[in-house]
Amino acid sequence: DAGVTQSPTHLIKTRGQQVTLRCSPISGHKSVSWYQQVLGQGPQFIFQYYEKEERGRGNFPDRFSARQFPNYSSELNVNALLLGDSALYLCASSLNRRSYEQYFGPGTRLTVT
Amino acid sequence: AQSVTQLDSQVPVFEEAPVELRCNYSSSVSVYLFWYVQYPNQGLQLLLKYLSGSTLVESINGFEAEFNKSQTSFHLRKPSVHISDTAEYFCAVSEGSGGSNYKLTFGKGTLLTVNP
Repeated sequence: DAGVTQSPTHLIKTRGQQVTLRCSPISGHKSVSWYQQVLGQGPQFIFQYYEKEERGRGNFPDRFSARQFPNYSSELNVNALLLGDSALYLCASSLNRRSYEQYFGPGTRLTVT
Repeated sequence: AQSVTQLDSQVPVFEEAPVELRCNYSSSVSVYLFWYVQYPNQGLQLLLKYLSGSTLVESINGFEAEFNKSQTSFHLRKPSVHISDTAEYFCAVSEGSGGSNYKLTFGKGTLLTVNP
């Protein structure tokens, strides 16, 4: 079975631009979470979506938004990119909103210049 | 608010030596604890978890961790490491009440380097 998939693998953007990252969860999983991992740090929680609704949000500005589609895939959007947004963006899926185990994808490496 | 402290940012060891990676957490409610491993340029892989029951949990590749509620710790151990264990290890906590099990809070990670 395929694990969590993310696209693209790498991305280079300029300050002020907008970016969209995509995630497909493990088959049968209905919950998707997004994390930001800055170099040298642990991942930080951005969002969780379950059944197309936002169930949790971390301490990130409104420039960050996300959505979940009927097939449970998800997109993370970041507007007005800053240099500090350069990071590895990780998507994790779990069976449902009460599942404690999260399974991570390979991530999207975003570089903002 | 929950928090996780990994006391060592880097741990160098020789092959076949034992290793312990330390993790302490802070939370006001019951917690669920995890260790994830990250190999270079990859995502996170779940190594082992404590949800309930026995406080000693084991992984399939020889790692084990013990949940110690009184010391709020969840240290990771392996009696004999291999070169292939070289990776970054992250301890994480998920709070387990009030429906707030949706997020993991991670420590800053410990880089384990196994030398020949």
